[in-house]
Amino acid sequence: DTEVTQTPKHLVMGMTNKKSLKCEQHMGHRAMYWYKQKAKKPPELMFVYSYEKLSINESVPSRFSPECPNSSLLNLHLHALQPEDSALYLCASSQGQVPSGRAYNEQFFGPGTRLTVL
Amino acid sequence: RKEVEQDPGPFNVPEGATVAFNCTYSNSASQSFFWYRQDCRKEPKLLMSVYSSGNEDGRFTAQLNRASQYISLLIRDSKLSDSATYLCVVNIRYNTDKLIFGTGTRLQVFP
Repeated sequence: DTEVTQTPKHLVMGMTNKKSLKCEQHMGHRAMYWYKQKAKKPPELMFVYSYEKLSINESVPSRFSPECPNSSLLNLHLHALQPEDSALYLCASSQGQVPSGRAYNEQFFGPGTRLTVL
Repeated sequence: RKEVEQDPGPFNVPEGATVAFNCTYSNSASQSFFWYRQDCRKEPKLLMSVYSSGNEDGRFTAQLNRASQYISLLIRDSKLSDSATYLCVVNIRYNTDKLIFGTGTRLQVFP
């Protein structure tokens, strides 16, 4: 079952609030990703965790703070966001280290959290 | 130059038509290639991986030309349910996977 779940589905927050987005997968994947997607644009990579360690941070502002408590869970902590941070936040997972000789490592996306910052 | 380029469309085609999408990528070190589809306000869903030998899944055929850095997707016998945005995606693998998305091609199938 290729399922990645995300909560909440929708989130409205003020610029002074602190909130968290959650992502969970039970496929035994060892790589997890956060993406941001604005309307009519493709997803943009924010963070990559590989084997529970942060391996890529795409110069994301510090008001976004990722956390990977274990291999199945990924959080994104939000504080002091700006209205321009309003977007769809997508979590994805993939196998991580693929067997030798197999180059493909498909990523599977969760349904996303639609965030509005007032 | 964008790393992954696609014609944004829209492609408006009648049911039953055959439609082809093309995509070019600039990084010759790209390792793996995918087509995702994305419905309005939904997440991207993996449609197919694209292999060097080309691959087919029902009405969908994908081709990869590494020498020309070109990827294609052919949809035969279009259905209304094929209406979506099709994203060409390239994996630039360094220490870990990093997907680069094209801007997507919008397909609208009409009755």
